[in-house]
Amino acid sequence: GDSVTQMEGPVTLSEEAFLTINCTYTATGYPSLFWYVQYPGEGLQLLLKATKADDKGSNKGFEATYRKETTSFHLEKGSVQVSDSAVYFCALNYGGATNKLIFGTGTLLAVQP
Amino acid sequence: DAGVIQSPRHEVTEMGQEVTLRCKPISGHDYLFWYRQTMMRGLELLIYFNNNVPIDDSGMPEDRFSAKMPNASFSTLKIQPSEPRDSAVYFCASRSTGGFSYGYTFGSGTRLTVV
Repeated sequence: GDSVTQMEGPVTLSEEAFLTINCTYTATGYPSLFWYVQYPGEGLQLLLKATKADDKGSNKGFEATYRKETTSFHLEKGSVQVSDSAVYFCALNYGGATNKLIFGTGTLLAVQP
Repeated sequence: DAGVIQSPRHEVTEMGQEVTLRCKPISGHDYLFWYRQTMMRGLELLIYFNNNVPIDDSGMPEDRFSAKMPNASFSTLKIQPSEPRDSAVYFCASRSTGGFSYGYTFGSGTRLTVV
């Protein structure tokens, strides 16, 4: 079945370091891909998305490119801040009859000053 | 728009008691989803509705769990009787029919503690 695999956390970085959080997926069709962020004590917020191969989603300095050939959607940011500390979830879904948003297990990012 | 609204934010109850969690989706959204989040199992989809009709409840863990959506602006998730292993954060999310490529909008969640 369809699934999403994320790198294990926690990821601990110093402020202004480069961030990569790996995400790969298994899907039978052509899903849309998402990154969600969850700050402590809050719900999930959509961070960015990509709907087809080679699309790049970007928001708040974060980027991810939909790579069909490697079935990946890695999250990157050039310079992290303490305020980026949160749990990041990679997810996929399809339209039509299959409506489930399938999440990865989440990756905790801790940015130290 | 106020977003997806869940209540209560926190609930502490004793084992064996009935618990009811509430959700108001975004107006105009015709899909509503209930998720449960725990450290051990991550985010699990429990059930989802389309136009107030339950479509897939395969994620509901036991008969102790039930969900309803009496109208387009309100849904409940009930646990009766509650058990300590039900302790988790429960999220409600909604989206519109054409909005699958735009992701879901999540509520702030209800943190349930069963003692």
